[in-house]
Amino acid sequence: EPEVTQTPSHQVTQMGQEVILRCVPISNHLYFYWYRQILGQKVEFLVSFYNNEISEKSEIFDDQFSVERPDGSNFTLKIRSTKLEDSAMYFCASSGQVINYGYTFGSGTRLTVV
Amino acid sequence: DAKTTQPNSMESNEEEPVHLPCNHSTISGTDYIHWYRQLPSQGPEYVIHGLTSNVNNRMASLAIAEDRKSSTLILHRATLRDAAVYYCILRDGGVTGNQFYFGTGTSLTVIP
Repeated sequence: EPEVTQTPSHQVTQMGQEVILRCVPISNHLYFYWYRQILGQKVEFLVSFYNNEISEKSEIFDDQFSVERPDGSNFTLKIRSTKLEDSAMYFCASSGQVINYGYTFGSGTRLTVV
Repeated sequence: DAKTTQPNSMESNEEEPVHLPCNHSTISGTDYIHWYRQLPSQGPEYVIHGLTSNVNNRMASLAIAEDRKSSTLILHRATLRDAAVYYCILRDGGVTGNQFYFGTGTSLTVIP
């Protein structure tokens, strides 16, 4: 069964550093998403991406964050100047073109900011 | 997006059926009902979705009330691997690629 692959599985970074979280969505999917989950809290939407541009973003997704699809396969989330409160699981997801197709989520990257 | 209400937690004995309820009294005509689950330390996983009719797949069944104000996810024989948080989510079918709003879900404990 096709999978969404995320790397690394765990990233530790110092406060103030930049991190890039990487995702390889399912190859024929067209919609891409980032969600995050702070330990013990809800899964929160960050951003959706379609046709090489952001289609929707939440209040969490401020200027500190950016997304990019640098080639035909990767989808990245960059967090500039990380803060302690950015520590969370970050999930990438993708979905197909059919309206109301379900998402496929990756297994996540655990980001720890120290 | 319309809200859903689920019990915080439920328990089931292994190999018995589990009925996970969800109320969505403010559902609109274009809202699809989606169920996802999240196993410990993993990303959410698609389970099933439907609009009006009951749905079955290899993982579960979805029973939708006639007025669509509630639905029930049915796991026919719970296994220990089904222990997870189950999320009932409404998503507007008139919009492609829009986000899912995850609530707190129902934490299912399966007792051996």
